[in-house]
Amino acid sequence: KAGVTQTPRYLIKTRGQQVTLSCSPISGHRSVSWYQQTPGQGLQFLFEYFSETQRNKGNFPGRFSGRQFSNSRSEMNVSTLELGDSALYLCASSQTSGTSYEQYFGPGTRLTVT
Amino acid sequence: DQQVKQNSPSLSVQEGRISILNCDYTNSMFDYFLWYKKYPAEGPTFLISISSIKDKNEDGRFTVFLNKSAKHLSLHIVPSQPGDSAVYFCAASALYNAGNMLTFGGGTRLMVKP
Repeated sequence: KAGVTQTPRYLIKTRGQQVTLSCSPISGHRSVSWYQQTPGQGLQFLFEYFSETQRNKGNFPGRFSGRQFSNSRSEMNVSTLELGDSALYLCASSQTSGTSYEQYFGPGTRLTVT
Repeated sequence: DQQVKQNSPSLSVQEGRISILNCDYTNSMFDYFLWYKKYPAEGPTFLISISSIKDKNEDGRFTVFLNKSAKHLSLHIVPSQPGDSAVYFCAASALYNAGNMLTFGGGTRLMVKP
């Protein structure tokens, strides 16, 4: 079974631009969560999508948004990029939404904002 | 405020000995705990989990202990192997979130020396 895939793996953008990252979950998984990893803040939850609906949202500004398609693939968008948005963005999929289901992470997208 | 803390940023252990990684949490609503392992350039990989109704869960060389009164959990790896060298994250979840939101600790880098 193929794992979670994320595209692109690396990205360089300039301040003020916007970016869209993509995540394809494991086949059959309906929940996709996004996390941001930075050296200073560690791994922080961005949002979760389940059955095309946002279930949870972390403490991030409105510049961070996402969506999920009917095939469970998900995208996240960051508008008006800031230098502090440079991070590793990880997506994780699980069979359903609930605390007892382990999440499987993709390799991440490394975003650098200059 | 950090709701999940891993106070040891690094740990060095000899091959064959026990590795003990610790994690403390402050939110008493957390009722499900997970450990993830992360290699460079890869996403975190699920290791083991424990529900708050248990105080111990074992899976091969990995055992997680939960002390609810102290709000403390630990991961024991016995025997430690060089391939265990990675960054270990503990994570917590709360039923009231009604989703897959995980709160992560800052991670502990484990180095197992041959």
